[in-house]
Amino acid sequence: DAGITQSPRYKITETGRQVTLMCHQTWSHSYMFWYRQDLGHGLRLIYYSAAADITDKGEVPDGYVVSRSKTENFPLTLESATRSQTSVYFCASSMTDMSSYNSPLHFGNGTRLTVT
Amino acid sequence: GQQVMQIPQYQHVQEGEDFTTYCNSSTTLSNIQWYKQRPGGHPVFLIQLVKSGEVKKQKRLTFQFGEAKKNSSLHITATQTTDVGTYFCAGHHRGSTLGRLYFGRGTQLTVWP
Repeated sequence: DAGITQSPRYKITETGRQVTLMCHQTWSHSYMFWYRQDLGHGLRLIYYSAAADITDKGEVPDGYVVSRSKTENFPLTLESATRSQTSVYFCASSMTDMSSYNSPLHFGNGTRLTVT
Repeated sequence: GQQVMQIPQYQHVQEGEDFTTYCNSSTTLSNIQWYKQRPGGHPVFLIQLVKSGEVKKQKRLTFQFGEAKKNSSLHITATQTTDVGTYFCAGHHRGSTLGRLYFGRGTQLTVWP
């Protein structure tokens, strides 16, 4: 969907470097998510955010940092990249609010990250 | 921990054959969603099931939510080459924080013409 964009699409970095993956959505969705996708593991939740300045850990948060100063942006930072963080990273958003079931997730096109 | 198990991991069928993928949870789910990811693409939402025993259809696709809300299935009748992709279920465990949606590992469907 054109409403959620990730950048860059591809990134190669070296072990130990800091890397930031960007995610921007234009729908004003309250919830935003970061997932990583690896063969044999499906999609695993790294962090999610219910609103600006509210973030929470998912299944695999170690080695990652997020922030959400504005509703539309949800960057993901790898503080010191490791080879095990080589993966495809998907950002997603939804209009879920606290009174309803989870609404559908709208995914970005993903960032393919390689750590050498 | 709270997980959603999905089987099979791979399924190869000839065009025209049927296909089914199953999801199971050890705890009760408040709702379950299904997504399709084409090769090289991103997951795209297909449907959400909320009620116990719910059945929904989208053309050749039939989605079911178990009576105990611990399992779900996606059945495709008479597969076509356009059905190729990976199908994921994603469940929200009842009582857990809203937003925590757990994905199954997916079933990768290959359709031979």
